[in-house]
Amino acid sequence: EDQVTQSPEALRLQEGESSSLNCSYTVSGLRGLFWYRQDPGKGPEFLFTLYSAGEEKEKERLKATLTKKESFLHITAPKPEDSATYLCAVQAWNNDMRFGAGTRLTVKP
Amino acid sequence: KAGVTQTPRYLIKTRGQQVTLSCSPISGHRSVSWYQQTPGQGLQFLFEYFSETQRNKGNFPGRFSGRQFSNSRSEMNVSTLELGDSALYLCASSLGGSRTQRGAYEQYFGPGTRLTVT
Repeated sequence: EDQVTQSPEALRLQEGESSSLNCSYTVSGLRGLFWYRQDPGKGPEFLFTLYSAGEEKEKERLKATLTKKESFLHITAPKPEDSATYLCAVQAWNNDMRFGAGTRLTVKP
Repeated sequence: KAGVTQTPRYLIKTRGQQVTLSCSPISGHRSVSWYQQTPGQGLQFLFEYFSETQRNKGNFPGRFSGRQFSNSRSEMNVSTLELGDSALYLCASSLGGSRTQRGAYEQYFGPGTRLTVT
């Protein structure tokens, strides 16, 4: 069965303290791996799509990477406004979409 | 370009009632997916519609149903509501094109409908 596991569940950082979030997955044929950001009471906001191992995408302080078994979301010099829950999702070739439980990131000023 | 819109934003119903939620996708998007989000279970996939046809379905009971109209707008219906149906219901739209079209499956979410069942 397809599975997505995100770690850690929660992460507290000081402003400027870089770190990484992990998304491990097993899927029968990967169509794409997606990263989203979700603020409380709102719908997830699309960040990145990664399609194949070795691919990297960047946006401001965020960088997403992909291997055959996991993806990392690197946050460089985070700011308090980066505080949110970050969700990872994988889509199989049969269109099945599965989300991880998310990592709740808090960045203290 | 307008984003995904969902109505209503908040809803309070009692057990046994039924409810219909509405979703308008981004213009040009032909695929609409529905999700249920709860603190305990996270985001769970309900179903996906593409060109008015259900293309994929999650593991939810038959009380949950949906449909899509020719303008790609979609509705989700839950009959005989239970307390456990209280959740944030999210709609997401995507281009939903061919298997080889990159970006076709990037989903953009609406703000959700917060359903409370008492």
